[in-house]
Amino acid sequence: KAGVTQTPRYLIKTRGQQVTLSCSPISGHRSVSWYQQTPGQGLQFLFEYFSETQRNKGNFPGRFSGRQFSNSRSEMNVSTLELGDSALYLCASSLAGRGVRETQYFGPGTRLLVL
Amino acid sequence: GDSVTQMEGPVTLSEEAFLTINCTYTATGYPSLFWYVQYPGEGLQLLLKATKADDKGSNKGFEATYRKETTSFHLEKGSVQVSDSAVYFCALSDQKYGGSQGNLIFGKGTKLSVKP
Repeated sequence: KAGVTQTPRYLIKTRGQQVTLSCSPISGHRSVSWYQQTPGQGLQFLFEYFSETQRNKGNFPGRFSGRQFSNSRSEMNVSTLELGDSALYLCASSLAGRGVRETQYFGPGTRLLVL
Repeated sequence: GDSVTQMEGPVTLSEEAFLTINCTYTATGYPSLFWYVQYPGEGLQLLLKATKADDKGSNKGFEATYRKETTSFHLEKGSVQVSDSAVYFCALSDQKYGGSQGNLIFGKGTKLSVKP
């Protein structure tokens, strides 16, 4: 079974631009979560999507948004990029059956550099 | 709010040495606890997990026991190898968000370097 895939793997943007990152979960997984990893703040939860609905959200500004499609693939968008948005963005998927303590499986990440 | 505290790194060991990476947590609910490992240039891989008190997670020679009384989940390995060099993250997932498993809370990570 293929793992979680993320595209693109690397991205360079300039301040003020917007960016869209894509994540394809493991086949059969319905939950997709996004995390930001930076040297200063570590790993921080952005949001979780399940059945095309945002189910959980971290403490990030509204410039960060996401969506999930009917095939469970997810995209996240960052508008009006700032230098501090430079980070590794990780996507994770899980089956997300309620009441079951499931494991999240992570993709390789998209490394975003904002100049 | 919920939080995870890990020992500061980096940790440098010789091959075959004993490894302990301390992890303690604060949570209001009944969290599941995880150790993830990140190799250079890669995403996170689940190393082991424990879902209730006194559970022991184990994988690839690594072990960690869920200690509710001390709110700890320390990672141990009896004999490390050069290939174990990576960053290790302790994390918790609290089920209070209506059963959602989406909100993993991570420690800052501990970088381990193993020298031959």
